[in-house]
Amino acid sequence: GQNIDQPTEMTATEGAIVQINCTYQTSGFNGLFWYQQHAGEAPTFLSYNVLDGLEEKGRFSSFLSRSKGYSYLLLKELQMKDSASYLCAALDSNYQLIWGAGTKLIIKP
Amino acid sequence: GAVVSQHPSWVICKSGTSVKIECRSLDFQATTMFWYRQFPKQSLMLMATSNEGSKATYEQGVEKDKFLINHASLTLSTLTVTSAHPEDSSFYICSARKTGMDTGELFFGEGSRLTVL
Repeated sequence: GQNIDQPTEMTATEGAIVQINCTYQTSGFNGLFWYQQHAGEAPTFLSYNVLDGLEEKGRFSSFLSRSKGYSYLLLKELQMKDSASYLCAALDSNYQLIWGAGTKLIIKP
Repeated sequence: GAVVSQHPSWVICKSGTSVKIECRSLDFQATTMFWYRQFPKQSLMLMATSNEGSKATYEQGVEKDKFLINHASLTLSTLTVTSAHPEDSSFYICSARKTGMDTGELFFGEGSRLTVL
């Protein structure tokens, strides 16, 4: 079956760095997405990785290892507004998104 | 940009009534739109995939006669919750994929919060 695993909740301190991991098992693979979702709002796109390696975009970076079925989202210089749920989603061979349950990130002052 | 608009944002209705939620892609054409439901503190649950000009594909466990989906044009999909009951109260979100794009980047609507009394 197809499966996405990510931690349910993480806590970090303002100004620090946090890494949110995601492992996936899908029928075929066409890329890995990260979305941010604030409570009561729709998700917003953060990143897309299809090749191995690290993609950096400002304070956020995303890493992919296709051989390990593994990705992480790295958030630097954490701000209070980064408190949100972070959703990992893998694109399978039919170009359907398989969603993880999301990681709730709590930022403390 | 790519903007998806959902309407209404909030709706409160009595049990047994039907509610229609609209999802529009404002500045692009979307052959495929997706409808999700999200209960408090849970992740998105895909309900159905809506394809312009054809019947929607429903996920397992989603009643197609209860959640009617119509995708009559390349910019509009509607979800009608028929004979709504309190357990249908949820946050309903749509997303759209640009026509011709095989990548999975989705553009999300703002969501519609349904409360059934």
